[in-house]
Amino acid sequence: KNEVEQSPQNLTAQEGEFITINCSYSVGISALHWLQQHPGGGIVSLFMLSSGKKKHGRLIATINIQEKHSSLHITASHPRDSAVYICAVRGTGNQFYFGTGTSLTVIP
Amino acid sequence: NAGVTQTPKFQVLKTGQSMTLQCAQDMNHNSMYWYRQDPGMGLRLIYYSASEGTTDKGEVPNGYNVSRLNKREFSLRLESAAPSQTSVYFCASSLTGVGYTFGSGTRLTVV
Repeated sequence: KNEVEQSPQNLTAQEGEFITINCSYSVGISALHWLQQHPGGGIVSLFMLSSGKKKHGRLIATINIQEKHSSLHITASHPRDSAVYICAVRGTGNQFYFGTGTSLTVIP
Repeated sequence: NAGVTQTPKFQVLKTGQSMTLQCAQDMNHNSMYWYRQDPGMGLRLIYYSASEGTTDKGEVPNGYNVSRLNKREFSLRLESAAPSQTSVYFCASSLTGVGYTFGSGTRLTVV
């Protein structure tokens, strides 16, 4: 069983739609990260969370520590949002666990 | 541009050859990491260095060695490459309490 599970694995949306990607984890954590990997392979860190909610532009990340769950929301999606979104957690013992990613395609 | 620089971007090795992947960051980050990414497996931590002079094993350290040469540089060495080490390798750095910055990756093929 993976320590970090993401859903869905693949997601196709029409431009303008509201998108939600979910991440559940089974270990105690000190922080949760959302990463974005573009088709060219580069990885960008979007958010680091340890509680509550963060917003950056059209992206919103939330975390519920009690439920061991985080969501990444994209409002007014755009084709340039097409990428793989990866959830990663840093365990309390400094271990690192990664989800296998959600592949998002936004169609014009 | 500030960030994490990895070299080389591509490399083909024969089984048994050795090589070193180089990584340097100019953001004064204290922690540095080496990951590999394989299809369907996600990113997996090979080694990390929480600070200059320290290194620790991650999830998949076998077949690799690392050196934290100074605060800027963290190299990954394959002493005797195997086909199972064919992968995309990413270096990353972070400052405590701040998110990661990733390098652009090294695509390694071992034949």
